[in-house]
Amino acid sequence: DGGITQSPKYLFRKEGQNVTLSCEQNLNHDAMYWYRQDPGQGLRLIYYSQIVNDFQKGDIAEGYSVSREKKESFPLTVTSAQKNPTAFYLCASSKDRGVTEAFFGQGTRLTVV
Amino acid sequence: QQQVKQSPQSLIVQKGGISIINCAYENTAFDYFPWYQQFPGKGPALLIAIRPDVSEKKEGRFTISFNKSAKQFSLHIMDSQPGDSATYFCAASFNTDKLIFGTGTRLQVFP
Repeated sequence: DGGITQSPKYLFRKEGQNVTLSCEQNLNHDAMYWYRQDPGQGLRLIYYSQIVNDFQKGDIAEGYSVSREKKESFPLTVTSAQKNPTAFYLCASSKDRGVTEAFFGQGTRLTVV
Repeated sequence: QQQVKQSPQSLIVQKGGISIINCAYENTAFDYFPWYQQFPGKGPALLIAIRPDVSEKKEGRFTISFNKSAKQFSLHIMDSQPGDSATYFCAASFNTDKLIFGTGTRLQVFP
């Protein structure tokens, strides 16, 4: 089945630790995105990549880092510099630079303990 | 100018009623307006989308109405069902750029 796989579904992190969220897609999509979802704030863009080995900051990139070494993979690292990392993180992809339909993964819920 | 404002934040509708969610934007360059539906604990999924060259698009019980001059678009859900209970997001994009999402509307449909 084609789609986007995010792992893990739930993640707990101690304060001061970096943690990496996985996102893999087998849709052969060029563009991939990371969003953060908080209650009442909608979906806020963290980073996006429209081509391998290139990515751009979104609206709330501070405290996060990404890489795009392979077309199908776009991992997100939440660093200790992110002051309030507890949130629901969503990865998405779309076919090309032209955003038509964005396909989302099932999300990773990160909790700082 | 990049914002998409969505209202209401929450909506309660009786089964069989009409659910209406509104969005407004400022950037006249936006050329793609999708609506996404999200169930609890899941990622959003595309529901229906419209481009500004048409004023209305209908797919089953779901209709987008688009008013270019007012810079507003809305989602109408006819004959609302309990299974429609979800969070709905409007979004907009322009010139092959990233999607800008509204803040979401939590819809609850009671039997």
